Amino acid sequence: DGGITQSPKYLFRKEGQNVTLSCEQNLNHDAMYWYRQDPGQGLRLIYYSQIVNDFQKGDIAEGYSVSREKKESFPLTVTSAQKNPTAFYLCASLSGQGNYGYTFGSGTRLTVV
Amino acid sequence: GESVGLHLPTLSVQEGDNSIINCAYSNSASDYFIWYKQESGKGPQFIIDIRSNMDKRQGQRVTVLLNKTVKHLSLQIAATQPGDSAVYFCAESGAGSYQLTFGKGTKLSVIP
Repeated sequence: DGGITQSPKYLFRKEGQNVTLSCEQNLNHDAMYWYRQDPGQGLRLIYYSQIVNDFQKGDIAEGYSVSREKKESFPLTVTSAQKNPTAFYLCASLSGQGNYGYTFGSGTRLTVV
Repeated sequence: GESVGLHLPTLSVQEGDNSIINCAYSNSASDYFIWYKQESGKGPQFIIDIRSNMDKRQGQRVTVLLNKTVKHLSLQIAATQPGDSAVYFCAESGAGSYQLTFGKGTKLSVIP
């Protein structure tokens, strides 16, 4: 079955550490997105990529970095510069062909310990 | 920037009743609207969408209504079931845009 896979489901980070969240899709979608979700909040856009080797900052990109070396993969690195990284991170993809709805992954919950 | 928001943060309904979740948007150029359902600890799932050239669209037990005059979107769930308990988000995008703007969500609780 086609879908979008995020891993790990839970991730713990020590102060000052960089961590990378994985996002893989086999839907042949062109665009991919990373969102952050805090309790009681909506989804805030971190980074997005509409094509391989190109990506754009979203509303809250500071302290995060991404890469898009392959169409299927869009990993997110939470760097030590992100002072409040504890949140639920969601990856999404979009085909760009007619239907403009995202397909979401199941999320990664990141906790600072 | 433009924003999408919800009238009510929480909604409790009796099992079997109909639910109505509302959403206001401010961008008059919004062309596409979508509702997502998010269960606790999971990613959002597509429920139903509608384009600006329509005012109503029906799915299985769900109906989306769009009133462009007052920039209002609603999701109606018929015969609400316990499995419908979740947070519901509306989202919108402008014509030709591949980026969705999300509201904060409404938490629906179904009382057995």
